Amino acid sequence: EVQLVESGGGLVQPGGSLRLSCAASGFTFNIYSLNWVRRAPGKGLEWVSYISSSGTTIYYADSVKGRFTISRDNAENSLYLQMNSLRAEDTAVYYCARDQYGDYTLDYWGQGTLVTVSS
Amino acid sequence: QLVLTQSPSASAPLGASVKLTCTLSSGHSSYAIAWHQQQAEKGPRYLMNLNSDGSHSKGDGIPDRFSGSSSGAERYLSISSLQSEDEADYYCQAWGTGIRVFGGGTKLTVL
Repeated sequence: EVQLVESGGGLVQPGGSLRLSCAASGFTFNIYSLNWVRRAPGKGLEWVSYISSSGTTIYYADSVKGRFTISRDNAENSLYLQMNSLRAEDTAVYYCARDQYGDYTLDYWGQGTLVTVSS
Repeated sequence: QLVLTQSPSASAPLGASVKLTCTLSSGHSSYAIAWHQQQAEKGPRYLMNLNSDGSHSKGDGIPDRFSGSSSGAERYLSISSLQSEDEADYYCQAWGTGIRVFGGGTKLTVL
């Protein structure tokens, strides 16, 4: 069974940093590309970042470019999101999601971890 | 620019059928999309991929009550025999070079 389990969320002050993790199991991790997607309170889903299976290709949404860094550890079956210079508008539930093999469809999602940016 | 447009809300009685719409922006009418469901307080769930010719492939365990179709720039998600657990937010999703794009979502209420 494919499982994606996020952790690392919490309350952080504006300008602060946080590192999210996503532990994967139930599939061959190192052949799948992965994404972070978020949902702010009262809003819809927003794609945040993408990383290829090898980690060599990375993309970011304009709203987080220069502040967030996506990475992965294929030996540990883990995905990460380092979030710096956090703003109130980054408050959201953050989900990791797997790309369907050879495709760009998000076919499995985690349950999410809540990040709250507030003083 | 790739934009997906969805109606904010829809409703239908228990046991009825409903058809949700996702409209692709000009110049993108040939794009495939995916449909996702998000029930309250849960992570999203992938429902299906939907091509411009209406062919679709569903995710693991998705019931036959869920189906997809296409017409021009419109992509549809149809749900028959509505059940209470179908009350959720539904999102369409497409992709461009290096990006994923979501529609604004449709909140489905089962009456």
